[in-house]
Amino acid sequence: EVQVLESGGGLVQPGGSLRLSCVASGFTVSTYAMSWVRQAPGKGLEWVSGISGRGGITYYADSVKGRFTISRDNSKNTLHLQMSSLRAEDTAVYYCAKDYVSFSGWFDYWGQGTLVTVSS
Amino acid sequence: SSELTQDPAVSVALGQTVRITCQGDSLRNSYATWYQQKPGQAPVLVIYGKNNRPTGIPDRFSGSSSGNTASLTITGAQAEDEADYYCNSRDSSGNHLIFGGGTKLTVL
Repeated sequence: EVQVLESGGGLVQPGGSLRLSCVASGFTVSTYAMSWVRQAPGKGLEWVSGISGRGGITYYADSVKGRFTISRDNSKNTLHLQMSSLRAEDTAVYYCAKDYVSFSGWFDYWGQGTLVTVSS
Repeated sequence: SSELTQDPAVSVALGQTVRITCQGDSLRNSYATWYQQKPGQAPVLVIYGKNNRPTGIPDRFSGSSSGNTASLTITGAQAEDEADYYCNSRDSSGNHLIFGGGTKLTVL
């Protein structure tokens, strides 16, 4: 059974850092594109960052480029999102999502999300 | 532009047909993908590609496209279809994914 499970969210001060993790089961993260999608409280979905399958090409939304880094640990079948210089507007539930094919945005599996709160 | 525009809210009578639309320049060259999200839950993929439904999605859900507008049609809406619906696509550069602002569907 395919599953993704996020962790690492929490309360962090503005300017701080946090690393999110997404453990996958039922498939190999290195062979599928994966993305992080966030949702601020009461707001819509926002794509944050993605990484392609075998090539490992990374993509970032303009709002996080230069502050966030997506990576994966193939040995642990895990996706990460390293977030730095965090701002209040980064407060959101962060979802990890598996892409059905390449970097298509066809997210067929989602985790339940992890909440990141940026506040002093 | 790199935006997808959706109507904030749409309502439909139980058993009737409703169309939810998504507009954007990127849709001239790529299909929209559609997601359903219920309160407190993660989004669920309902339509991808030209008009494909993942396993488990009822056939009352269908997708179509014309010019810069994509549509999600629910034929015979059920009470359980009440949810937020989001479209997405790759932008014109191909290096970003973009979501529409979402449409809140109310089934009366």
